[in-house]
Amino acid sequence: AQSVTQPDARVTVSEGASLQLRCKYSYSATPYLFWYVQYPRQGLQLLLKYYSGDPVVQGVNSFEAEFSKSNSSFHLQKASVHWSDSAVYFCALSMGYKLTFGTGTSLLVDP
Amino acid sequence: ETAVFQTPNYHVTQVGNEVSFNCKQTLGHDTMYWYKQDSKKLLKIMFSYNNKQLIVNETVPRRFSPQSSDKAHLNLRIKSVEPEDSAVYLCASSLQGWNSDYTFGSGTRLLVI
Repeated sequence: AQSVTQPDARVTVSEGASLQLRCKYSYSATPYLFWYVQYPRQGLQLLLKYYSGDPVVQGVNSFEAEFSKSNSSFHLQKASVHWSDSAVYFCALSMGYKLTFGTGTSLLVDP
Repeated sequence: ETAVFQTPNYHVTQVGNEVSFNCKQTLGHDTMYWYKQDSKKLLKIMFSYNNKQLIVNETVPRRFSPQSSDKAHLNLRIKSVEPEDSAVYLCASSLQGWNSDYTFGSGTRLLVI
């Protein structure tokens, strides 16, 4: 069955440290993958997306993600986090007419 | 400004009442969606419409009904709300329906007491 797994419910990092948020997917066809961020009391905002081509995709606010077909993964990374990056991050898989989300990772950046 | 707009932001109601939420997008997109986000932040699709046609209808209680007057509007009505309907309801749109990225509204928070 198609699914998205985010194994880390909460991640805490210090400001200026590097970050990786993990995402694993299960899908039999070519995956269309997304990362969204949700700040408190707001909707979701698109960070980046992968359709095909270069497995490393760049997004907004210096985020990037690497697609790995062999590992069925789409991990989100950032070289140096800022306190304003504290939010909930969702990995998502498009399956035609619907977007299926992982359970989210709550990121807390210690100032 | 082009975006997805939802009203109201917040609504408190009693069990058994009827509520309606509005959603409008000014992006010129063809497809609109309703998602439910529960208290644990889990996101579940409820409905999606493409050019006013219902294309996805997940397993939701029959008291929920979407209403689309044109492709820029998708409202959600809940007849006789129950406590488990307390959640944030997120409206979204996409340029095309198939494998597209979404633009979300800021959500309507419903509290059923």
